[in-house]
Amino acid sequence: ETGVTQSPTHLIKTRGQQVTLRCSSQSGHNTVSWYQQALGQGPQFIFQYYREEENGRGNFPPRFSGLQFPNYSSELNVNALELDDSALYLCASSLGRDITLGANVLTFGAGSRLTVL
Amino acid sequence: KNQVEQSPQSLIILEGKNCTLQCNYTVSPFSNLRWYKQDTGRGPVSLTIMTFSENTKSNGRYTATLDADTKQSSLHITASQLSDSASYICVVSAHSGAGSYQLTFGKGTKLSVIP
Repeated sequence: ETGVTQSPTHLIKTRGQQVTLRCSSQSGHNTVSWYQQALGQGPQFIFQYYREEENGRGNFPPRFSGLQFPNYSSELNVNALELDDSALYLCASSLGRDITLGANVLTFGAGSRLTVL
Repeated sequence: KNQVEQSPQSLIILEGKNCTLQCNYTVSPFSNLRWYKQDTGRGPVSLTIMTFSENTKSNGRYTATLDADTKQSSLHITASQLSDSASYICVVSAHSGAGSYQLTFGKGTKLSVIP
């Protein structure tokens, strides 16, 4: 059984550029959720995908978008990067539509650290 | 607005000692509360999950309590080890139906266990 893997682990972009982060979910999981964690802060929920459809979103602007593929892997895309987008981006996979259910344990990846200059 | 407040912000304890971390929340409608351990440079790892009807749950040397009336939770670590050095994050779930799912994370308590 493989865990959640994210790529790239580190990357540097400049303001205005676009970035794509990738996440491979744990075997058997069909839901992926994404989080932004600024330095010294707790993660903030961006959105989640269940069976290739977005079915939950936090307070992030539309320039944060995503995809989930038939194999349940996922991408997070951020357009028009701003300095405040610098953060650790975490992906978590789980089984089941509702990530808030107590039975749904989230398995997190190690994250992708994005620096925007 | 849903909020999760954790205290203290940071804590240093001697190896072998016990400690208690606090979490207060204003999340509605409450679904469950989770504690995670996050090592530096790693993703969070689940320690406990508690629903409304549970007021205590243990996982080895970690014991979490929940008081849903006062909206408070604590995480007690017994006989601390150097490997317990990490950030501990409290996460509260709200589920208002109609596909609306929300996870609200606290900022975490950074625990340092020293020899």
